[in-house]
Amino acid sequence: DAGITQSPRYKITETGRQVTLMCHQTWSHSYMFWYRQDLGHGLRLIYYSAAADITDKGEVPDGYVVSRSKTENFPLTLESATRSQTSVYFCASTLSGSTEAFFGQGTRLTVV
Amino acid sequence: DQQVKQNSPSLSVQEGRISILNCDYTNSMFDYFLWYKKYPAEGPTFLISISSIKDKNEDGRFTVFLNKSAKHLSLHIVPSQPGDSAVYFCAASARGFYGGSQGNLIFGKGTKLSVKP
Repeated sequence: DAGITQSPRYKITETGRQVTLMCHQTWSHSYMFWYRQDLGHGLRLIYYSAAADITDKGEVPDGYVVSRSKTENFPLTLESATRSQTSVYFCASTLSGSTEAFFGQGTRLTVV
Repeated sequence: DQQVKQNSPSLSVQEGRISILNCDYTNSMFDYFLWYKKYPAEGPTFLISISSIKDKNEDGRFTVFLNKSAKHLSLHIVPSQPGDSAVYFCAASARGFYGGSQGNLIFGKGTKLSVKP
């Protein structure tokens, strides 16, 4: 399917486990982003990437790792999950020169 | 410190009437503003945007107004429909001289709009 897809949609993991959230887009957008949505905080940027092999921290990067070896994929890894990382995670992408980001459906992650 | 503020967590409006959602920002470097709409269990979807060189942008039932001196923008929905019931996020970006994405959007906390039939 064309567009931006996230997997899994739902994930339950235990504290201390490593978990990777996947994001794939078919538009060849240069910019990709990871946001988390929490009650009382809205959407906060975790990491973003301007192109393959170029990533940068956002507002709340601690505890997360990203990579971007291919333009279309931007996985987000929680190296040692904590309960505070229970959240809904959204991946987004934009064309270079555009500011209108397109979002995936989200991944609801619960850390127990 | 919050750079983009949506001070009303919720708003309830009668079908057919006007919905006005407000947003304030503090960073004078912001030069592009967007509104996103979000339904439960879905990702946000882009609704309308405005550049800081304009004070109004209209798209069908949706109009965004920007008051730069007050660092305030608002989204007007006329007439409101039950299908407009969703959470609306205001977002801002500092695109800079060259335009385009400068890496991220700063979002407000959102306003939940309920349009009653």
